Amino acid sequence: DQQVKQNSPSLSVQEGRISILNCDYTNSMFDYFLWYKKYPAEGPTFLISISSIKDKNEDGRFTVFLNKSAKHLSLHIVPSQPGDSAVYFCAASSGAGSYQLTFGKGTKLSVIP
Amino acid sequence: GAGVSQTPSNKVTEKGKYVELRCDPISGHTALYWYRQSLGQGPEFLIYFQGTGAADDSGLPNDRFFAVRPEGSVSTLKIQRTERGDSAMYLCASSSTAASSYNEQFFGPGTRLTVL
Repeated sequence: DQQVKQNSPSLSVQEGRISILNCDYTNSMFDYFLWYKKYPAEGPTFLISISSIKDKNEDGRFTVFLNKSAKHLSLHIVPSQPGDSAVYFCAASSGAGSYQLTFGKGTKLSVIP
Repeated sequence: GAGVSQTPSNKVTEKGKYVELRCDPISGHTALYWYRQSLGQGPEFLIYFQGTGAADDSGLPNDRFFAVRPEGSVSTLKIQRTERGDSAMYLCASSSTAASSYNEQFFGPGTRLTVL
């Protein structure tokens, strides 16, 4: 039973446009959410996170939105750049200092020049 | 500074053999994690160390899997009597710890294990 779901295995976006990656979760105990980016032959790299007490967190071109009632979060990248092409994983944890991350299956983003 | 490193980057073994995978965490990070990523899946938690002790090994799939971290730094994941289903990318991560904050986990590049 997948507790973190990324229902789109892939996404293609034109350079300069907005990329929106979606993530849904089922476990109501999750209260901290992270996005990781992964290039081939590398480990996942932390991108941005959000606590459940917020509904938005922004860092440069990256913004994460959290809708707790819908158990849904999304990552917006604007403007998208070819270097953003990677696999993006949504992850969640429960409790302050929690160590165990539960990951989705990932979405492969391709930004077309 | 140096990130998390893992050796070897690739390991090919035969069914039934024993393998060891090594992880060097970021210096000063007291927490260390092992994850396994199968093809088309996200990373799945295996075990978590706080210092030298395994604080949570609930993700280890069975007793063929074991991990140690004897000096609170380098960790070794050990797999006995390997099976073809053990083939996956094994990822290690580390984090600093603070009792009241969420701790970003920094991942290594992984070891790709192939069991023939």
